[in-house]
Amino acid sequence: DGGITQSPKYLFRKEGQNVTLSCEQNLNHDAMYWYRQDPGQGLRLIYYSQIVNDFQKGDIAEGYSVSREKKESFPLTVTSAQKNPTAFYLCASSIRGANYGYTFGSGTRLTVV
Amino acid sequence: AQKVTQAQTEISVVEKEDVTLDCVYETRDTTYYLFWYKQPPSGELVFLIRRNSFDEQNEISGRYSWNFQKSTSSFNFTITASQVVDSAVYFCALSEGTGGGADGLTFGKGTHLIIQP
Repeated sequence: DGGITQSPKYLFRKEGQNVTLSCEQNLNHDAMYWYRQDPGQGLRLIYYSQIVNDFQKGDIAEGYSVSREKKESFPLTVTSAQKNPTAFYLCASSIRGANYGYTFGSGTRLTVV
Repeated sequence: AQKVTQAQTEISVVEKEDVTLDCVYETRDTTYYLFWYKQPPSGELVFLIRRNSFDEQNEISGRYSWNFQKSTSSFNFTITASQVVDSAVYFCALSEGTGGGADGLTFGKGTHLIIQP
């Protein structure tokens, strides 16, 4: 079955460390997105990519980095520059753009210890 | 800039009651798309409906119905005869049509719906 796989489901990070969250899709979607969810804050856009080797910053990109070397993969790195990284991270994809709606992954819960 | 407001942070009803979740949006585009997603406790968002700005027909899908009113910039969601399995966080979202929605969806902050048995 086609879908989006996010791993790991739970991730613990020590302060000062970089961590990378994986997002893989086999839907042949062009566009991929990363969102951050905090309690009571809804979903906020971190980065998005419309095509391979191209990506744009969203509303809260500071302290994060991404790459899009393959159509299927859009990993998110949470760097030590992100001051408050504890959150639930959701990856999504869309066949072309957001007008078509998203398919979401099951999320990664990142906790700083 | 686009904006989505879900004023109801949390709603609690008893099973079998009808419940309406409100969504108000702001956009400068004449072409746009509205969505509702459900987030159960497992965390993954599930697509419920997509509606474009030129289609104001209300839609019904089983116990779910949606009321789209451009005059009030609202896209409300009603669950009839609610069930415990409807308990979840529900998000309303907006995509502006320009550029095919290249900038991504803008989400409201969500409404936590609790259905008590």
